[in-house]
Amino acid sequence: EPEVTQTPSHQVTQMGQEVILRCVPISNHLYFYWYRQILGQKVEFLVSFYNNEISEKSEIFDDQFSVERPDGSNFTLKIRSTKLEDSAMYFCASRGQTFYSYTFGSGTRLTVV
Amino acid sequence: AQKITQTQPGMFVQEKEAVTLDCTYDTSDPSYGLFWYKQPSSGEMIFLIYQGSYDQQNATEGRYSLNFQKARKSANLVISASQLGDSAMYFCAMRVVSGGTSYGKLTFGQGTILTVHP
Repeated sequence: EPEVTQTPSHQVTQMGQEVILRCVPISNHLYFYWYRQILGQKVEFLVSFYNNEISEKSEIFDDQFSVERPDGSNFTLKIRSTKLEDSAMYFCASRGQTFYSYTFGSGTRLTVV
Repeated sequence: AQKITQTQPGMFVQEKEAVTLDCTYDTSDPSYGLFWYKQPSSGEMIFLIYQGSYDQQNATEGRYSLNFQKARKSANLVISASQLGDSAMYFCAMRVVSGGTSYGKLTFGQGTILTVHP
């Protein structure tokens, strides 16, 4: 079964550093998403991406965040200057044309120290 | 704006028994979908079941069924014949189609931790 692949699985970074979280969505999917889950809490929407541009973003997704699909296969989330409160699990998801067919990656656990 | 509420922070069930996890939602959009995901301790999000707002019958997938009560705006997950491997966090989520467009944002509830006792 096709998978969404996220790398790295765990990243530790110092406060103020830039991080790039990487995702390889399912190849024929058209819609891409990033979600965040602070430990033990609910999953929060960050951003959706369609047709090479951001289609929707939440209030969490401020100027320190950016997304890119640089080469037609990877989908990246960049956090420019990490803060302690950015420590969370970050999930990438992709979806094809079907209304309900989302596939989530296994997540990247980001720890900011 | 849409909202999902899961009022049960934790639930316990005996192995082989059935359990119901509650989920209520709020949206003014007539077209929406409701999802349940399982998140084991390893962290991944596993899709369990989906119910569309126009679906006439309650969704079922193996031991999972969704008790959809549209008038009450509830979408409870029923797990029959619980197994030890069902111990996990369970999230209810919703997607709406607003104004004829939707890029597919999912809104999640707070989650319910299910513990299955042998």
